[in-house]
Amino acid sequence: SQKIEQNSEALNIQEGKTATLTCNYTNYSPAYLQWYRQDPGRGPVFLLLIRENEKEKRKERLKVTFDTTLKQSLFHITASQPADSATYLCALKAAGNKLTFGGGTRVLVKP
Amino acid sequence: DTGVSQNPRHKITKRGQNVTFRCDPISEHNRLYWYRQTLGQGPEFLTYFQNEAQLEKSRLLSDRFSAERPKGSFSTLEIQRTEQGDSAMYLCASSLGRLVGSRDEQFFGPGTRLTVL
Repeated sequence: SQKIEQNSEALNIQEGKTATLTCNYTNYSPAYLQWYRQDPGRGPVFLLLIRENEKEKRKERLKVTFDTTLKQSLFHITASQPADSATYLCALKAAGNKLTFGGGTRVLVKP
Repeated sequence: DTGVSQNPRHKITKRGQNVTFRCDPISEHNRLYWYRQTLGQGPEFLTYFQNEAQLEKSRLLSDRFSAERPKGSFSTLEIQRTEQGDSAMYLCASSLGRLVGSRDEQFFGPGTRLTVL
């Protein structure tokens, strides 16, 4: 069966350190993968998209890698700040036009 | 504010009642999506529209659920004979429906939180 797995345990990290989140998938051949941020009580907000033929994508303090052999994406927040505290969701676009989301990983950056 | 809006933001209803939610997408977006999200989980796809046509429906969408987008603008999601298991956040999103450079993001509304007593 198809699965998208993110670490369900919250990630507690000290301000200034790098947070690394994983997204693993099985039985998908995604055209691309997206990362979203979600704050409590609000809808997800798009952060980055990486295509199947791209290895790495950066945006400011964010970096995403995509390994289609390992079927894994890593999401890094460098020089983390308390304002980065949120839940981060990965989402795959495979066949059709829908996105399939992972369960999300909550990040808590402590000052 | 030109973002996606959803009404109501909260809805409390008794089991067996019908409820209807509304979503107003970003005006130039031709795709509109509905998702359901429960606590601690990611959004689960329910259905999506390309303009007024409903093109895909999840198996999660039982026959008690119906969605419409009559003029290709706003959309409604109706749940008939609500059950306690329907309690969730219902999210609407819209998109241009094509890859523009490296962006094909969906823009989400704030959601409607449904509580079925």
